[in-house]
Amino acid sequence: EAGVAQSPRYKIIEKRQSVAFWCNPISGHATLYWYQQILGQGPKLLIQFQNNGVVDDSQLPKDRFSAERLKGVDSTLKIQPAKLEDSAVYLCASSYGTGSSYEQYFGPGTRLTVT
Amino acid sequence: QKEVEQNSGPLSVPEGAIASLNCTYSDRGSQSFFWYRQYSGKSPELIMFIYSNGDKEDGRFTAQLNKASQYVSLLIRDSQPSDSATYLCAVKGDILTGGGNKLTFGTGTQLKVEL
Repeated sequence: EAGVAQSPRYKIIEKRQSVAFWCNPISGHATLYWYQQILGQGPKLLIQFQNNGVVDDSQLPKDRFSAERLKGVDSTLKIQPAKLEDSAVYLCASSYGTGSSYEQYFGPGTRLTVT
Repeated sequence: QKEVEQNSGPLSVPEGAIASLNCTYSDRGSQSFFWYRQYSGKSPELIMFIYSNGDKEDGRFTAQLNKASQYVSLLIRDSQPSDSATYLCAVKGDILTGGGNKLTFGTGTQLKVEL
């Protein structure tokens, strides 16, 4: 079974530029998550989708971050404009459903450096 | 007060010893508890989950939960150098009790198993 795919793996941009990350979840997984992991911290949930609807985006900085999952499969996360404090690893995860018994599988992450 | 607290470590144990990792959480409505292992530069992977008070064993790993004390721990028996990683505690609330359905991570404890 193929895992969660993410691209790019690494990205370096200057502050005030824009950047987009892509995620392809495990086939059949209805729930998709985007996390931000700053060095030395645990992952922080940015947004959770159930199919193509948003379940939770309470911690998404909506003035600069946006995410979509138009067809209920792939998802993109965009930052515009980027700030220095956005330097982090952006992890995409997916699960079969939202219940506690459903394991979240993480992708390899995209390491973003904002200079 | 942080929602999920862990000692950042590093926790150093000799090979073959028992490693004990601890986590406390603030939301009494939390229903399920997870331990993830994260190797440096890699994404988190689920080791164990526990829902009920008491102990849950899986191979060399034992998760312990005490909801009254809002405390969850992970014991690793016969520690091996390959167990050296950061261990993330994660807590999920209950949407029915207002705890939400998102996974909240601690900052992680770095474990070093020395030869």
